[in-house]
Amino acid sequence: DAGITQSPRHKVTETGTPVTLRCHQTENHRYMYWYRQDPGHGLRLIHYSYGVKDTDKGEVSDGYSVSRSKTEDFLLTLESATSSQTSVYFCAVKGGPWGDTQYFGPGTRLTVL
Amino acid sequence: GNSVTQMEGPVTLSEEAFLTINCTYTATGYPSLFWYVQYPGEGLQLLLKATKADDKGSNKGFEATYRKETTSFHLEKGSVQVSDSAVYFCALSGTDGGGNKLTFGTGTQLKVEL
Repeated sequence: DAGITQSPRHKVTETGTPVTLRCHQTENHRYMYWYRQDPGHGLRLIHYSYGVKDTDKGEVSDGYSVSRSKTEDFLLTLESATSSQTSVYFCAVKGGPWGDTQYFGPGTRLTVL
Repeated sequence: GNSVTQMEGPVTLSEEAFLTINCTYTATGYPSLFWYVQYPGEGLQLLLKATKADDKGSNKGFEATYRKETTSFHLEKGSVQVSDSAVYFCALSGTDGGGNKLTFGTGTQLKVEL
């Protein structure tokens, strides 16, 4: 499982509230990614990080921000949650025994009412 | 830009049947290709990968061959089991820099019945 944990695993919140999701890894991977999974869309990249304090946008970054102050943690923040952000969020890291491959965490199910 | 197209599901098979899930892609350069599997309530697990044309990835009885001439990476298994019931995602890793971002297909649900 590449040593990835996500917290919380489930969250229900209300429109307009801020939400932060955490991804934690224990294997010192340089690259970390946040995806969202929605029916009919597969997984889509929100943001990724290529090192401490180094981040870049993915294809669906609007309404999301990220931070990476240390190697092991990558935070995804919804500044003001909307119902369209109801989704399952997955964190991934790049590395592992097969080399240049991404490995995924268990996911966080977020519901915005 | 990069894109991945998978066959629509759900695919329903009897145990021991032959499985094919079609995947075609559009990409610049020479991407790596992947199949991931997602069991109910879980995250994605890497099933197999191929990094260059004519490579065959294989794992747990599943196989897929990187066909550059047809831009395809179809997933096959000779005899499916009930335990193979899951959602399967085809994906490619771009060669346009930016951390080898993955582009996913929409997923194909497989149901295997006794």
